[in-house]
Amino acid sequence: QKEVEQDPGPLSVPEGAIVSLNCTYSNSAFQYFMWYRQYSRKGPELLMYTYSSGNKEDGRFTAQVDKSSKYISLFIRDSQPSDSATYLCASSGSARQLTFGSGTQLTVLP
Amino acid sequence: EPEVTQTPSHQVTQMGQEVILRCVPISNHLYFYWYRQILGQKVEFLVSFYNNEISEKSEIFDDQFSVERPDGSNFTLKIRSTKLEDSAMYFCASSPSGIRLDEQYFGPGTRLTVT
Repeated sequence: QKEVEQDPGPLSVPEGAIVSLNCTYSNSAFQYFMWYRQYSRKGPELLMYTYSSGNKEDGRFTAQVDKSSKYISLFIRDSQPSDSATYLCASSGSARQLTFGSGTQLTVLP
Repeated sequence: EPEVTQTPSHQVTQMGQEVILRCVPISNHLYFYWYRQILGQKVEFLVSFYNNEISEKSEIFDDQFSVERPDGSNFTLKIRSTKLEDSAMYFCASSPSGIRLDEQYFGPGTRLTVT
């Protein structure tokens, strides 16, 4: 069973565009939802962390979780070339194990 | 800023050989993890470790794998007899308490190539 599914991309947008990245999950026990950014040949870096449903905003980034539809989203406003990376969604029902999506490669063109 | 470090950055080994991947977690962190990412695929959980014991492990973490904290600073992943399909990036992570998932910090990874 594929527990976390992510739009594979790749996604290419012009600088300044609003980017929408999406995942779905199947495990109803998942309560913790994360978005990581990963640059080429580097480790994942946490961007956003959400518990249960709702929205969370941090600067240009907004994370959204809808537990009723099991849908996770990350929005990036005013996207910059430096945002070009692979974005990974991840979920967990426990404190120790993360289940990742396959990642969406984003390129922001100057 | 403290960070998780991993050595080597790239390891090439022949099939059937043993490899040890090394990690230095962030000082004062108590929970340690290994994940792997086969090229083009998902990051997958392998194992978590706390108080010198495995806390959780995935189906991937079979008898060929072992983890150890040989001293107060290093955390190692050993693969006893490598297979071609073990070729992947291996990420170590550490967490101060294992409670908050936003406190799980990843290292830069070791690229393992099995030939």
